[in-house]
Amino acid sequence: EAGVAQSPRYKIIEKRQSVAFWCNPISGHATLYWYQQILGQGPKLLIQFQNNGVVDDSQLPKDRFSAERLKGVDSTLKIQPAKLEDSAVYLCASSLGNSHNEQFFGPGTRLTVL
Amino acid sequence: AQKVTQAQTEISVVEKEDVTLDCVYETRDTTYYLFWYKQPPSGELVFLIRRNSFDEQNEISGRYSWNFQKSTSSFNFTITASQVVDSAVYFCALSETLPPRNSGYALNFGKGTSLLVTP
Repeated sequence: EAGVAQSPRYKIIEKRQSVAFWCNPISGHATLYWYQQILGQGPKLLIQFQNNGVVDDSQLPKDRFSAERLKGVDSTLKIQPAKLEDSAVYLCASSLGNSHNEQFFGPGTRLTVL
Repeated sequence: AQKVTQAQTEISVVEKEDVTLDCVYETRDTTYYLFWYKQPPSGELVFLIRRNSFDEQNEISGRYSWNFQKSTSSFNFTITASQVVDSAVYFCALSETLPPRNSGYALNFGKGTSLLVTP
């Protein structure tokens, strides 16, 4: 079974530029999560999708971050414009349903904002 | 407020020593789940265990064991006879039911404990 795929693995941009990350969850997983992990901290939820609908985006900085999951499968997370404090690893995870299921994580995208 | 506290930032042990990683959580939910994940240097989070709030039985899986005590809101993780391959950051996480009920089950992670096992 293929795991959660993410791309790119690394990205370096300058502040005020835009960036997008892509995630392909495990086949059949209805729930998709984006987490932000700042160096030395645990992952923090940014947004959660159930199929193509948003379940929770309360911690997403909506003035600069956006995310979509148009067909209930792949998802993209965008930052526009980026700030220095956005430097982090962005992790995508998926789970079978909207319950206390085990979440499977992708390898993450390491973003450096200069 | 931090819902999951991992007070140990870094632990260093010599191979074959036993080591316990502490996790204390805070929740008002009566139904919740606790998790442990391992994050090796490669960066990918690896699931280790999930326990629900109604099951306080300790669990053992090979060299790993978990002690869940609701009375102290703790879910500690012990590695017996540690090995160099156990070197990683370990995260404890809590899954509650977000309001409104049944709307989401995101993980609240602690800050992690970095374990270094030396030969």
